[in-house]
Amino acid sequence: AQSVTQPDIHITVSEGASLELRCNYSYGATPYLFWYVQSPGQGLQLLLKYFSGDTLVQGIKGFEAEFKRSQSSFNLRKPSVHWSDAAEYFCAVGAKNTGNQFYFGTGTSLTVIP
Amino acid sequence: NAGVTQTPKFQVLKTGQSMTLQCAQDMNHNSMYWYRQDPGMGLRLIYYSASEGTTDKGEVPNGYNVSRLNKREFSLRLESAAPSQTSVYFCASSERQGGPYGYTFGSGTRLTVV
Repeated sequence: AQSVTQPDIHITVSEGASLELRCNYSYGATPYLFWYVQSPGQGLQLLLKYFSGDTLVQGIKGFEAEFKRSQSSFNLRKPSVHWSDAAEYFCAVGAKNTGNQFYFGTGTSLTVIP
Repeated sequence: NAGVTQTPKFQVLKTGQSMTLQCAQDMNHNSMYWYRQDPGMGLRLIYYSASEGTTDKGEVPNGYNVSRLNKREFSLRLESAAPSQTSVYFCASSERQGGPYGYTFGSGTRLTVV
């Protein structure tokens, strides 16, 4: 069965510092991978997605993520964090034969220190 | 703004009461979904509708029913609310079932059952 693990429940970084949020998935074939961001009191917004091709994908708000098949990972990165990036981040995995079943990780809460 | 609209935003119910959560999208998406979000558990799929006229159970369907009223609207009904259904509910839509299509989420309904 498919699953997604986000090992870090909470991360704190200083504004201007780099960021990496970890995501590991379990799936036999090449999955579709997504990162979403949720600001307080809001719904989830799609940051970026990977489904084929170049393993380094660019998203909105200056985020990028790299698909590493050998490590079953899809980590989210940003070179310089802004205070407005404070939010909850969710990794999700889906695939053709899962139909509608997107599996979401439990989320990583990001705090940005001025 | 185009997107997914959920109503109401907040609701308090007494145990045993019923209510319907409304969801509408204006992006001409075929597929719609209902998720619940609980602390530390990420998002869990309640029901989904791959296309107009079809609905299917997700991971946690017990205690809920859904109706795909038309292509735009997908409602979630709690027939007899229980405290365990206290949660934040999100409606989402996507262009099609499965595949590399990301979801567009509504802003959520915060439901408390007392």
